[in-house]
Amino acid sequence: EPEVTQTPSHQVTQMGQEVILRCVPISNHLYFYWYRQILGQKVEFLVSFYNNEISEKSEIFDDQFSVERPDGSNFTLKIRSTKLEDSAMYFCASQGQGARGNQPQHFGDGTRLSIL
Amino acid sequence: DAKTTQPTSMDCAEGRAANLPCNHSTISGNEYVYWYRQIHSQGPQYIIHGLKNNETNEMASLIITEDRKSSTLILPHATLRDTAVYYCISSRFGNEKLTFGTGTRLTIIP
Repeated sequence: EPEVTQTPSHQVTQMGQEVILRCVPISNHLYFYWYRQILGQKVEFLVSFYNNEISEKSEIFDDQFSVERPDGSNFTLKIRSTKLEDSAMYFCASQGQGARGNQPQHFGDGTRLSIL
Repeated sequence: DAKTTQPTSMDCAEGRAANLPCNHSTISGNEYVYWYRQIHSQGPQYIIHGLKNNETNEMASLIITEDRKSSTLILPHATLRDTAVYYCISSRFGNEKLTFGTGTRLTIIP
């Protein structure tokens, strides 16, 4: 069964450094999402992306964050200057379109980001 | 905030049916009920969704009350691998964000 894949599985970065989290969505999916989950807390929506632009973003997704689909297959989340509170699991999700409308979102297994 | 309410935790004996309830009394007419689960720290895994009719797939069954204010996810023969946090989410069937609550922590007991 097709999967959403995320790399790396674990990223350790010094505070203030830039980090790029990578996702390969399921082929032919059209809608892409990033969520994050701070340890012990809920899964939180960050941003949705469709047709090469942001559809919606949360309050968390401030100017330090950006998303890109650089080559038609990868979907990346960049954090420009990381802070300690950015430490979390980051999940990518993708969603396709079926004969009866949009399909459910499917998630990758996440990247654990640790900011030192 | 999540628009659904679920019990914090539940136990179920291995091999028995696990019935997970969810209240969504403020659900609107164009919102579906989605169920996801999260095993340990893995990504949320899609289970099933429905609008008003009961649904069944290879993983589970979803029973939605006639007034659509509540639903029950049924895992027919629970195994130890079904131990996870189960999330009930209401969302329009489109490219809308999913709003996760705290879910139900289901523990399958040998």
